[in-house]
Amino acid sequence: SQELEQSPQSLIVQEGKNLTINCTSSKTLYGLYWYKQKYGEGLIFLMMLQKGGEEKSHEKITAKLDEKKQQSSLHITASQPSHAGIYLCGADYGSARQLTFGSGTQLTVLP
Amino acid sequence: DGGITQSPKYLFRKEGQNVTLSCEQNLNHDAMYWYRQDPGQGLRLIYYSQIVNDFQKGDIAEGYSVSREKKESFPLTVTSAQKNPTAFYLCASSNQNYGYTFGSGTRLTVV
Repeated sequence: SQELEQSPQSLIVQEGKNLTINCTSSKTLYGLYWYKQKYGEGLIFLMMLQKGGEEKSHEKITAKLDEKKQQSSLHITASQPSHAGIYLCGADYGSARQLTFGSGTQLTVLP
Repeated sequence: DGGITQSPKYLFRKEGQNVTLSCEQNLNHDAMYWYRQDPGQGLRLIYYSQIVNDFQKGDIAEGYSVSREKKESFPLTVTSAQKNPTAFYLCASSNQNYGYTFGSGTRLTVV
């Protein structure tokens, strides 16, 4: 089984709807990063979470890390077409600061 | 502006040919990384370097080589031993106080 599971693999929502993407680790996280990627482009940093129970928000995107530091969620409120893209979670297990990535969530927002 | 520059954006390789992907950063980051991304998958670590003149193999290093002669530069060579090199390659750098910064990627295609 994978060390880091991301779900769902793809998501299609109507504009204005809320949505949640999950990232679950098989072991305790030192830190959890969320990135957004447009197809064929680099990754754009969204948020970094390190403390158990931590929650961060930026505009309409909120990310949380659970108390056990093994699960994170990314929530988008009132989605817009500009939110479309691939969302990736990256886990820092404290090993030379390498990141282990989830398989990504392809988000489509229908106008 | 500080950042990471990857070049070229698109690269075509003939069978049996070695090609080198460039990655340059002016962020003064100590650590640099190379990831490979295949369609519908997350990023997989090829090589990483924590300091100049030192680098370590990642999860899929076979068929690749790197060098780290300068802090700013971390080129990746895709050798003829890499049997399936067609992919999107991303370079990243990091320091202890902030997460990763990614380049815009190089798309390599075998022709």
